[in-house]
Amino acid sequence: KNEVEQSPQNLTAQEGEFITINCSYSVGISALHWLQQHPGGGIVSLFMLSSGKKKHGRLIATINIQEKHSSLHITASHPRDSAVYICAVTQGAQKLVFGQGTRLTINP
Amino acid sequence: DAGVIQSPRHEVTEMGQEVTLRCKLISGHNSLFWYRQTMMRGLELLIYFNNNVPIDDSGMPEDRFSAKMPNASFSTLKIQPSEPRDSAVYFCASSLYRSDQPQHFGDGTRLSIL
Repeated sequence: KNEVEQSPQNLTAQEGEFITINCSYSVGISALHWLQQHPGGGIVSLFMLSSGKKKHGRLIATINIQEKHSSLHITASHPRDSAVYICAVTQGAQKLVFGQGTRLTINP
Repeated sequence: DAGVIQSPRHEVTEMGQEVTLRCKLISGHNSLFWYRQTMMRGLELLIYFNNNVPIDDSGMPEDRFSAKMPNASFSTLKIQPSEPRDSAVYFCASSLYRSDQPQHFGDGTRLSIL
């Protein structure tokens, strides 16, 4: 069993829909990250959080430390949101352990 | 400000050849991470440095892989001899040496070993 599990693995939605991607982890962590990777592209850090909720534009990330669970939400989704979203956790001071990613496709 | 710079962006070479991947950290950052991404295994940490010192190299697959930081702003990842199963995208990332700081990723090097 992977230490970081994401669901769903693939998600296709229509433009404007509310999107939720989930991440569960089974190890002690000091922080959780949400990363975005466009096809053939680099990796961008969206959020780093250790408690509560963070919001940036149409993106919202939440974490429940007791349940070892985090969600990434996208409101009013747009085709440019199509990407792979990767959940990662920091073990110890800096070591990142990654989930397998969720491939999101937003159709116009 | 320039981000993390990796070179080359693409490398195609024959098995048995030495491969050198390069990474320039963001100015002022003192932690450096090398990752490998494959379809089968996703993203994996290979090795990371703090202040030029290797901290955790448990992800380095074999002795064929080696990483160095000859100075505070530059790192290399070498594979010698290369094998087809080394084909992957290799990312480096840098950050400040603090647990509350995010990592900044380069655009990656797509490596194909024939």
